[in-house]
Amino acid sequence: DGGITQSPKYLFRKEGQNVTLSCEQNLNHDAMYWYRQDPGQGLRLIYYSQIVNDFQKGDIAEGYSVSREKKESFPLTVTSAQKNPTAFYLCASAVGDQPQHFGDGTRLSIL
Amino acid sequence: QKEVEQNSGPLSVPEGAIASLNCTYSDRVSQSFFWYRQYSGKSPELIMSIYSNGDKEDGRFTAQLNKASQYVSLLIRDSQPSDSATYLCAVKLRGGGGNKLTFGTGTQLKVEL
Repeated sequence: DGGITQSPKYLFRKEGQNVTLSCEQNLNHDAMYWYRQDPGQGLRLIYYSQIVNDFQKGDIAEGYSVSREKKESFPLTVTSAQKNPTAFYLCASAVGDQPQHFGDGTRLSIL
Repeated sequence: QKEVEQNSGPLSVPEGAIASLNCTYSDRVSQSFFWYRQYSGKSPELIMSIYSNGDKEDGRFTAQLNKASQYVSLLIRDSQPSDSATYLCAVKLRGGGGNKLTFGTGTQLKVEL
């Protein structure tokens, strides 16, 4: 089945540690996005990528990094510089002006 | 003023009633509008998209767009308990390169038996 796969579903980070969240899609979508959602809040854009080997900062990119080496994959690294990383992280993809579709999300917590 | 605004609710309606969810946006030249449904602990699911003024119907859902007044609404007819969720309004604002969307904070809907 075509879709967007995020892993892991739950992730725990220790102080000073970088962690990487995986996002893979087999929809042949050009554009991919990372959002952060805090309790009772809407989605805030972290990074997005329209084509392979290119990506742009969203509204809250500080403390995060991404890569887009393959069309299917858009991993997000939460670095130790992100002091408040506890949130629900959502990956989405889209083609052209079509709506974005989301993966199931990764819930990140601090140990 | 927030770019995309929604009443956070909760909006409570009895089963079988019509639920009306509203969203206003700040950018007059926005072109694309979406409604997502999000169940607690789950990811958002697209339920409606609308691009031109007027109504768009899909089953029990109707999206209404009024660009002059800068609002978009979602009507849910014959509301069911399974419709209880948070509904997110998303707008592609001017300069939204890369198909960037701006989301409202969502309206929580509760359908009561």
